[in-house]
Amino acid sequence: NAGVTQTPKFQVLKTGQSMTLQCAQDMNHEYMSWYRQDPGMGLRLIHYSVGAGITDQGEVPNGYNVSRSTTEDFPLRLLSAAPSQTSVYFCASSYSWGSNQPQHFGDGTRLSIL
Amino acid sequence: TQLLEQSPQFLSIQEGENLTVYCNSSSVFSSLQWYRQEPGEGPVLLVTVVTGGEVKKLKRLTFQFGDARKDSSLHITAAQPGDTGLYLCAGDQGGSNYKLTFGKGTLLTVNP
Repeated sequence: NAGVTQTPKFQVLKTGQSMTLQCAQDMNHEYMSWYRQDPGMGLRLIHYSVGAGITDQGEVPNGYNVSRSTTEDFPLRLLSAAPSQTSVYFCASSYSWGSNQPQHFGDGTRLSIL
Repeated sequence: TQLLEQSPQFLSIQEGENLTVYCNSSSVFSSLQWYRQEPGEGPVLLVTVVTGGEVKKLKRLTFQFGDARKDSSLHITAAQPGDTGLYLCAGDQGGSNYKLTFGKGTLLTVNP
């Protein structure tokens, strides 16, 4: 199993450009989520999904869109990139939502907005 | 306001020393998870604590969940350079709140 795969690993954008960060998991996990990690800020939840067709906002959703058309994929879209969105983005998944469900993380996408 | 406060933020010790990392909150959590993250990688789960007062051991690492389920600690005995990394606690407030809240992390460096 590949686990959680994030692409690309690195990306540089100009302010105002759009892009999609890809996340795919092959573990048949129902719960998927996106976090951003900034120095000194820990991991902050952007959006999450409890299953195909169901998404909701996390702590810092502004400037980001998500959709979940399949169980496997959970892409994160930046519609108009801003320098404040420079960060490392992590996708995570778990079999379901619950106290004993470990989150499996990808290796991240390092995004710079100029 | 950070829901989960971790301390210390940075810790640099010598090989063989003991250390404790704390994760505190004013809120009750149905569970707390501890993750370790190495440079260039995503966090990896170490342990989940669910019951107030629970103690779990993972080799030289001991995890404790407070009786009131508002705080947790991670104690490492005889630290080794391989323990170096960012330690993160994450809490689940339960019910239909499908969100995991992370602390800011403790960056541990163990020097040989």
